Order: sequence, then structure tokens, then C-alpha cells
Amino acid sequence: QKEVEQNSGPLSVPEGAIASLNCTYSDRGSQSFFWYRQYSGKSPELIMSIYSNGDKEDGRFTAQLNKASQYVSLLIRDSQPSDSATYLCALPWGGGNKLTFGTGTQLKVEL
Amino acid sequence: GAGVSQSPSNKVTEKGKDVELRCDPISGHTALYWYRQSLGQGLEFLIYFQGNSAPDKSGLPSDRFSAERTGGSVSTLTIQRTQQEDSAVYLCASSFAGLNEAFFGQGTRLTVV
Repeated sequence: QKEVEQNSGPLSVPEGAIASLNCTYSDRGSQSFFWYRQYSGKSPELIMSIYSNGDKEDGRFTAQLNKASQYVSLLIRDSQPSDSATYLCALPWGGGNKLTFGTGTQLKVEL
Repeated sequence: GAGVSQSPSNKVTEKGKDVELRCDPISGHTALYWYRQSLGQGLEFLIYFQGNSAPDKSGLPSDRFSAERTGGSVSTLTIQRTQQEDSAVYLCASSFAGLNEAFFGQGTRLTVV
């Protein structure tokens, strides 16, 4: 099993809908989790971090963490065309010294 | 500076030449990472620094790749005898150790012709 797994997509949602992006990981000891957004031709941008089970909300973004099931999700409410990007899940690996990324899910928000 | 700074932004080099890529992390960040991203691909981990030491070099693709960090700040990634397969965007990120909220620079696009 890969360290961090994401569905590559593309995930297409209509404008105004909720986009749900999922990530699973294999290291039960992982304690911190991050979501990055990467626009085409740009570098990744940190948008959310989550450390505890449950939900963490920041504006239109909600990160959800379930350590028992080893998954972390990102919900984007009221999706906008400007949210169209690749979303990368990341977590520290190997004792917390190596930030490992999933391959990313491409999100397309359609008018 | 306020963010991670990488230079040059673009580099075109001839096959067989050596190149140096520079990363200036956010002030106070002790951890520094190098990643590589080929066109349409995910992030490939290259090396991680904590201070000036590199406890994890596991991602360096070959012995043509090396990196150093001096003064706990600026890092240089050197690729010797470049090959066409080295063409990619090289990304640097930095974080406070232990928090791992890493912030990326704008990257260096390397093209080997």
C-alpha cells in the first residue's frame, strides 16, 4: 500500500456544489495532515492543516480527519471555478521528518 | 524575505553540464525540503534538511545529485552531468521543525537540451 493515496480524478462538480476530496494513508502513527492546492503551472499552496479527529473549518473549506479509519477529507462548499486545481494530501512520514504527498486529485468546477 | 525564494526561476542547460539551484527558506524555518515534479506528475521527494544536516537523502535519484545547506538557511541543489530526464520543476519548501506546515517556493523549471 502506498503511504498516501488519492483518487487522481478528475472530479467534476457544478458551480455552487460541495466538492469532496478524499485521502487515505497507511501509517497509523501519523499525527498531522495537510491539504495543498496546486494550480496548473504553479507551486503547491498550503490551505488546511488538521491534527485532531473531527472537523476543522476555515471559510468554505472543511478538513475531516478519522484516524481510526486512516482517512482525511477536504470539503469545499459553494465551489467556484477558481477552485479548479489539483488538491494534494500530505503528511509527515518516517518519524515526522519527511513530508510525503499523495499524487493529488484534480478538481474541475464547471459553470 | 516573507516567503521561500528560489533561483533561478528558469534554467535551460545543455546535456552534460552541471547546474546549481538555490533555495532561501522562510526566516526561522529549520526544516527544508527539496522535491521534483515532472510534467503532469506528483511531487517526488529528494532530500530533507534539519538545520544543516540531511537525515534523509533517500530520494536523491543518483549520485549526480547532491545538496547542501549552510548556516541553517540557504540550500543549494547541485545536479552534475545533467541528463534530459532531469528536466522538471524543482521545488523547495521550508517549515518549523515539528510542525511540518511547509511552504513552497515558486520553483525552478529546469530544461536539459
